[in-house]
Amino acid sequence: GENVEQHPSTLSVQEGDSAVIKCTYSDSASNYFPWYKQELGKRPQLIIDIRSNVGEKKDQRIAVTLNKTAKHFSLHITETQPEDSAVYFCAASRRGGNEKLTFGTGTRLTIIP
Amino acid sequence: GAVVSQHPSWVICKSGTSVKIECRSLDFQATTMFWYRQFPKQSLMLMATSNEGSKATYEQGVEKDKFLINHASLTLSTLTVTSAHPEDSSFYICSAPTAGGVGELFFGEGSRLTVL
Repeated sequence: GENVEQHPSTLSVQEGDSAVIKCTYSDSASNYFPWYKQELGKRPQLIIDIRSNVGEKKDQRIAVTLNKTAKHFSLHITETQPEDSAVYFCAASRRGGNEKLTFGTGTRLTIIP
Repeated sequence: GAVVSQHPSWVICKSGTSVKIECRSLDFQATTMFWYRQFPKQSLMLMATSNEGSKATYEQGVEKDKFLINHASLTLSTLTVTSAHPEDSSFYICSAPTAGGVGELFFGEGSRLTVL
């Protein structure tokens, strides 16, 4: 089955600086890579996703890059703000029909004011 | 976006009792729902895939007789933790994909179970 590794497990960034979180996956058939933000005690919220037919996607301060050959993808948050502090999870799946998501281990991001 | 509602949001029960958690898709039909379990400061681990009108598919290591899943309609899946023990205490979250299973995955609010 799919195995998703995520690094780092914790990350502290000065407000205004950029944060980068990296994930690798094992299943070459995976073609959908979402990123979720989870605040304490709450449900995960999708913040951005990318499909395997593109290499980069951007939404305001958030971007995701995908390297299919190396089987890794990264989340980039620029101009970080205190409200970006949360746990971020990457995930991977084969989309095309109710395929399950395999989550990374999570990164606790702390933005230092 | 689509709405997935989960109930109860938290429950405390005595060891040996059974607890039922409901997951509803409020504005779309879900032939499939996923049940995850999350321990404190850990990732979401898939427990099982709930299939409307048929048996659930359990992940390796998950006891199907302990975690009963029923997907009786296109908008409701239930997870029953039978004979709960303290080690079953966890955050249980359901999710459902939209658009016939290929769309975005929406999560319920989660249910925090504490077994005394």
